Amino acid sequence: GAVVSQHPSRVICKSGTSVKIECRSLDFQATTMFWYRQFPKQSLMLMATSNEGSKATYEQGVEKDKFLINHASLTLSTLTVTSAHPEDSSFYICSARVPSGLQETQYFGPGTRLLVL
Amino acid sequence: AQKITQTQPGMFVQEKEAVTLDCTYDTSDPSYGLFWYKQPSSGEMIFLIYQGSYDQQNATEGRYSLNFQKARKSANLVISASQLGDSAMYFCAMREGRPRGTSYGKLTFGQGTILTVHP
Repeated sequence: GAVVSQHPSRVICKSGTSVKIECRSLDFQATTMFWYRQFPKQSLMLMATSNEGSKATYEQGVEKDKFLINHASLTLSTLTVTSAHPEDSSFYICSARVPSGLQETQYFGPGTRLLVL
Repeated sequence: AQKITQTQPGMFVQEKEAVTLDCTYDTSDPSYGLFWYKQPSSGEMIFLIYQGSYDQQNATEGRYSLNFQKARKSANLVISASQLGDSAMYFCAMREGRPRGTSYGKLTFGQGTILTVHP
């Protein structure tokens, strides 16, 4: 099946620093990628939709200036958490929609655990 | 109102037995898709099965089948012959709308069900 990678898998940073997370589709082109956040023992919440070559679409309540998304190519989307604070500590996971044929599928990356001290 | 509801916070099943994980959804869009994902403790989201709103037959993928009851707006996941490796969190998710616009494909997730398989 389609493969989506994320890097880094785990990051610890000091409060006030910025952290960049990469999401790559390895064997297909993804014009649209999605960024989710998941707090412990909770569900996934969509943060934003990343579209190649255009501005990301953010969900209500998500600060676009804090969570910068860049989808510069058909295989790469990046999420930058700017001026991170301890409350930004979470599991960030991206997904990419595989161009649908007979069956719609959406594949997720392995996720990035962010801990802000 | 919740768009996706999973009413079972936790479920237990004996190894080799079948188990049903419940999922109900709410949408007024005639075109939608329903997904089930498995999330083990490592955190990765593993795609299990997909059901389109216009699909006439229930989806099946190996030991996984989706009991799709459109009138009742339910999409329960049935796992047959449970294995110890099936112990994980399971999420039901919905995608609404036809392919259009730049946000097509985003998923709304249920609260999840933790499945524990006993030997």
